Amino acid sequence: QKEVEQNSGPLSVPEGAIASLNCTYSDRGSQSFFWYRQYSGKSPELIMFIYSNGDKEDGRFTAQLNKASQYVSLLIRDSQPSDSATYLCAVNVHYGQNFVFGPGTRLSVLP
Amino acid sequence: DTGVSQDPRHKITKRGQNVTFRCDPISEHNRLYWYRQTLGQGPEFLTYFQNEAQLEKSRLLSDRFSAERPKGSFSTLEIQRTEQGDSAMYLCASSLEVRISASEQFFGPGTRLTVL
Repeated sequence: QKEVEQNSGPLSVPEGAIASLNCTYSDRGSQSFFWYRQYSGKSPELIMFIYSNGDKEDGRFTAQLNKASQYVSLLIRDSQPSDSATYLCAVNVHYGQNFVFGPGTRLSVLP
Repeated sequence: DTGVSQDPRHKITKRGQNVTFRCDPISEHNRLYWYRQTLGQGPEFLTYFQNEAQLEKSRLLSDRFSAERPKGSFSTLEIQRTEQGDSAMYLCASSLEVRISASEQFFGPGTRLTVL
């Protein structure tokens, strides 16, 4: 079992819809969870992070964390074509140490 | 632009040659990470530094790879005797650790390596 798993997609949503991206992880000791967006040919850019169970909102983005079920999700409201990118989930799987990234989910927002 | 810079941005080399990449992190950041990313995959952890100390290396990392951060500022990643399988994007990231759990990392633009 891979440490961090994501559906590779592509996930296609119409413009203005809610895009839901999911990530599961295997290490119950994981402390920190991050969502990055990566456009083709570019490096990952941080969207948001979450440490505690529940929801965290930042503009059109909401991260949801459920440590008991070992999943973290990212909701993008009012999706725009400019949101079309690969979304990477990163998990700090060992306390205070390195990150493990999932393979990413490719999102396509259709005008 | 996150403030993390990498040089060169592109490198083409022949199999068997040595290559060295440089990363300059955000100036106040004490942690520096190296990752490798191939097409369709997420970044794969290689190694990281806390100040000048190299704290962890991936167990999958060949001994042809070595990294340094001599003064706790910039870092270099060297690959000796390159192989075609080393072709990838090499990403550097930095973070400021002010608490025990990991903080958000900021990535540089990457160095794309092509081994012929």
